[in-house]
Amino acid sequence: QVQLRESGPGLVKPSETLSLTCTVSAGSVSSDNYYWSWIRQPPGKGLEWIGYIYHNGNTNYNPSLKSRVTISVDTSKNQFSLKLSSVTAADTAVYYCARDRWVTTGLEYFDYWGQGTLVTVSS
Amino acid sequence: DIQMTQSPSSVSASVGDRVTITCRASQGISSGLAWYQQKPGKAPTVLIYAASSVQSGVPSRFSGSGSGTDFTLTISSLQPEDFATYYCQQANIFPITFGQGTRVEIK
Repeated sequence: QVQLRESGPGLVKPSETLSLTCTVSAGSVSSDNYYWSWIRQPPGKGLEWIGYIYHNGNTNYNPSLKSRVTISVDTSKNQFSLKLSSVTAADTAVYYCARDRWVTTGLEYFDYWGQGTLVTVSS
Repeated sequence: DIQMTQSPSSVSASVGDRVTITCRASQGISSGLAWYQQKPGKAPTVLIYAASSVQSGVPSRFSGSGSGTDFTLTISSLQPEDFATYYCQQANIFPITFGQGTRVEIK
């Protein structure tokens, strides 16, 4: 059973950079046909896809966040990471990492998720 | 972005009821739709992918249908553990987007 776990600061100051890491166990970030995603959910609201990375380093970001997002992968540690710069209170959310299973072009879904970590942006 | 609109936003139902949730895409997305269940304080879990394929381990009372712009999630006989929020998600057209959620509440 693949497991994902997010780690990182729970409190970030406005204008600073949010940094989170997702550690994958019982599975490999180097597996073919899987992307590794970050998704967030503001308190009491819906889900927003942030972006994903493939093991070769190829990335794809939500255009709404693209100018502030960087996702990277460390295959030696079986981890992938998120950096979100210039944060504001609107970035306060539970951040999830998830495995994105690619079935075919235009057909992919998130089959494993981390438990989520709340990041609050406040001074 | 593709807008995913779920209806209803919430539904009150009793154990044993048949519950249907609809998801409409603002453009055609073929069969590229998944459904998730989320309980309070927990991560979502996938129920259905490719519009109608049931994820391994998901009870058979959950089913999905549809293609193009209109999709349905059906719970054939609601169980106590099914009270949760349900989300649809598309990945057919970049970027990946989710519906706003449908809360299934106890009547």
